[in-house]
Amino acid sequence: DAGITQSPRYKITETGRQVTLMCHQTWSHSYMFWYRQDLGHGLRLIYYSAAADITDKGEVPDGYVVSRSKTENFPLTLESATRSQTSVYFCATPYEQYFGPGTRLTVT
Amino acid sequence: GQQVMQIPQYQHVQEGEDFTTYCNSSTTLSNIQWYKQRPGGHPVFLIQLVKSGEVKKQKRLTFQFGEAKKNSSLHITATQTTDVGTYFCAEPSGNTPLVFGKGTRLSVIA
Repeated sequence: DAGITQSPRYKITETGRQVTLMCHQTWSHSYMFWYRQDLGHGLRLIYYSAAADITDKGEVPDGYVVSRSKTENFPLTLESATRSQTSVYFCATPYEQYFGPGTRLTVT
Repeated sequence: GQQVMQIPQYQHVQEGEDFTTYCNSSTTLSNIQWYKQRPGGHPVFLIQLVKSGEVKKQKRLTFQFGEAKKNSSLHITATQTTDVGTYFCAEPSGNTPLVFGKGTRLSVIA
């Protein structure tokens, strides 16, 4: 089925480790977004991309890196994970903001 | 930056009671979107409102956009346990990425 897939769905990592969250869309939407969701803060935009090789910061970009070498993929990397990055991460595309299933990340 | 304030943060209702969540902005909105997120799930798009004073219905859900396009509401008539979840409003911000309200978490007691 067409849509957005995210992997892994669940991840536990240790403080200081690098971890990459994957996002893949089966459409060809130019825009893709990464949000994190935390209790009390709702959904906050981390990074977004307008097209391949074009990315921009959102509300909470610190500690994250993104790339967009192909239109269909938009990976999010935590270069040195911290406990404050424990969260649920959603990838999304516009046009009704279709969300992927999410990655639940725990940093110990 | 743009911000939408959503109230209440939590709402507990008995099954069969009505429920309303409100979304308010300090600036005029071009449009507003509503999403539902079930526990453990991801946000799912419900509807978009564009016109001043617009009212749209989806079965037991009624969505309104204020005349001044600064507020919106979602009303559920006769809640059911399937309505449980968090309801978010969201507004466009610059180039497409949405700014979400913090959501209203609805609990329905059977």
